[in-house]
Amino acid sequence: GENVEQHPSTLSVQEGDSAVIKCTYSDSASNYFPWYKQELGKGPQLIIDIRSNVGEKKDQRIAVTLNKTAKHFSLHITETQPEDSAVYFCAASKRDRLAFGKGNQVVVIP
Amino acid sequence: DSGVTQTPKHLITATGQRVTLRCSPRSGDLSVYWYQQSLDQGLQFLIQYYNGEERAKGNILERFSAQQFPDLHSELNLSSLELGDSALYFCASSVGTGWDEQFFGPGTRLTVL
Repeated sequence: GENVEQHPSTLSVQEGDSAVIKCTYSDSASNYFPWYKQELGKGPQLIIDIRSNVGEKKDQRIAVTLNKTAKHFSLHITETQPEDSAVYFCAASKRDRLAFGKGNQVVVIP
Repeated sequence: DSGVTQTPKHLITATGQRVTLRCSPRSGDLSVYWYQQSLDQGLQFLIQYYNGEERAKGNILERFSAQQFPDLHSELNLSSLELGDSALYFCASSVGTGWDEQFFGPGTRLTVL
């Protein structure tokens, strides 16, 4: 099955700086790559996703890039704010089931 | 609030027991997914139902079973519980299948003593 890995496991950034989280996947047939944000005590929430026919997608301060040849994709958060502190999960899918990475704890230091 | 509801919020039980977790999807969503979240394994896909039928199966143990009812709510049954089953169990729902966004509920925290 699909195997998704995330790096780094914990990331601390100063408020206003950028944060980048990288994920790699194993199944070259995967074609859908969502990112979820999980705040303490809540379920994961989709923040951005990308299909395999697109290399980059932006939504305000958040962007995702996909390199299908290398089988990796990244989440970029610019101008980080304290409310960006959370656990971020990447996932990969080729049909219905999502295979999640183990998550990154992002801490934004005011 | 995602619109997905899960009950109960917390559940404490003993080894060997059986519990039922309940999920109500967002209005209009036909798919329900169950996930297990533990510290060492992360988010693991267990099973998906679409309009009452099992659609996809993941790393679900034989001691676990699920079903989706005609009103589209779903139940996850966990039996012969072991200490290692202690985890957060999430339900998610989506309109259809494939690339539809999955909306997660707040989860049920299961503690097996």
